[in-house]
Amino acid sequence: GENVEQHPSTLSVQEGDSAVIKCTYSDSASNYFPWYKQELGKGPQLIIDIRSNVGEKKDQRIAVTLNKTAKHFSLHITETQPEDSAVYFCAASKGDGGATNKLIFGTGTLLAVQP
Amino acid sequence: AAGVIQSPRHLIKEKRETATLKCYPIPRHDTVYWYQQGPGQDPQFLISFYEKMQSDKGSIPDRFSAQQFSDYHSELNMSSLELGDSALYFCASSPTGTGEGEQYFGPGTRLTVT
Repeated sequence: GENVEQHPSTLSVQEGDSAVIKCTYSDSASNYFPWYKQELGKGPQLIIDIRSNVGEKKDQRIAVTLNKTAKHFSLHITETQPEDSAVYFCAASKGDGGATNKLIFGTGTLLAVQP
Repeated sequence: AAGVIQSPRHLIKEKRETATLKCYPIPRHDTVYWYQQGPGQDPQFLISFYEKMQSDKGSIPDRFSAQQFSDYHSELNMSSLELGDSALYFCASSPTGTGEGEQYFGPGTRLTVT
């Protein structure tokens, strides 16, 4: 069945360093890949997403890359700040703008940014 | 900007009781998704609705049912509650008709079954 693997499960970096989280998906029909940030006691917050017709997308300190051939996609956070500390989830769906775009989530990465 | 509203935020029920969770999507969003998140786990898709019709179904127990109303809000009804139903329940809304499938999550309802 559909599956998304995410690594690492925990990541500790020093403030100002970069953080990279990697995901692999199994369903070749997947074409929409969002990333969510979840703080304790809150709902997942969409921080960036990418579609299969794009290899890379950047938004300030956050970037996502996609290798559709290898079924890999990654989140890159540069110049990390303590407020980036949270659990990050990758997800995949057969997003076609239709109404059956259920998200299959990775298992999450707990990012800790040390001041 | 308006966000997804969920109520109640916290709910405590006993085994075999029923619970109703409500979700109010972002204005002009026509699709609602329900997810269940156990402690330390990733969200799992339960069910979705588009224009008041069920559009997809995941690993939702038969004890659970849901619907979307004419004003696009949705309710998740849970009966014969079990201890294992204790979890965070999230609703996400999406502008299916005008967007590209992005989903925006609400703050969640924390259900505790004792």
